[in-house]
Amino acid sequence: EAGVAQSPRYKIIEKRQSVAFWCNPISGHATLYWYQQILGQGPKLLIQFQNNGVVDDSQLPKDRFSAERLKGVDSTLKIQPAKLEDSAVYLCASSPRSDYGYTFGSGTRLTVV
Amino acid sequence: KNEVEQSPQNLTAQEGEFITINCSYSVGISALHWLQQHPGGGIVSLFMLSSGKKKHGRLIATINIQEKHSSLHITASHPRDSAVYICAVGDTDKLIFGTGTRLQVFP
Repeated sequence: EAGVAQSPRYKIIEKRQSVAFWCNPISGHATLYWYQQILGQGPKLLIQFQNNGVVDDSQLPKDRFSAERLKGVDSTLKIQPAKLEDSAVYLCASSPRSDYGYTFGSGTRLTVV
Repeated sequence: KNEVEQSPQNLTAQEGEFITINCSYSVGISALHWLQQHPGGGIVSLFMLSSGKKKHGRLIATINIQEKHSSLHITASHPRDSAVYICAVGDTDKLIFGTGTRLQVFP
């Protein structure tokens, strides 16, 4: 079974620029998560999708972050404009259902300079 | 106080040593996950536990639901085991993560 695919692996941008991350979950996984992991901390949930609907986006900084999951498959996470404190690893994970195991992608390491 | 506490935060070992990483949590859970994160950032799911004990190769995970405590053991540790090990507890459809234990195994 193919894993959760994320791209790009690394991204360096200047503050106030925009950036987008892409995630392709495991086929058939209805639930998709985006996490932000700042160095030295555990991952923090940004947004959770169930199919193409948002279940939880309470910790998503909506003034600059947006995410969508069109057709309930791939998802994109966008930051516009980026701030220095957005430097982190952005992890995508998927699960066939909420009480089942999670599969994580390899993450995108974002550096904002 | 964090809802998920791990100890130790950092751990160094010589190749071949037996490793134990501990996780305590204060919330009700449906399952506990042990995850491994390598320096590149990607996370691999090692175990999902709701009771008892699971073993996979040199890795063993145990959980005591009454005491709200779990341990991850690595037998015959190897330098390739060097990584951050994260405990995460699941409450219905959300995960609460510990801050991780950084393990370095030296030859």
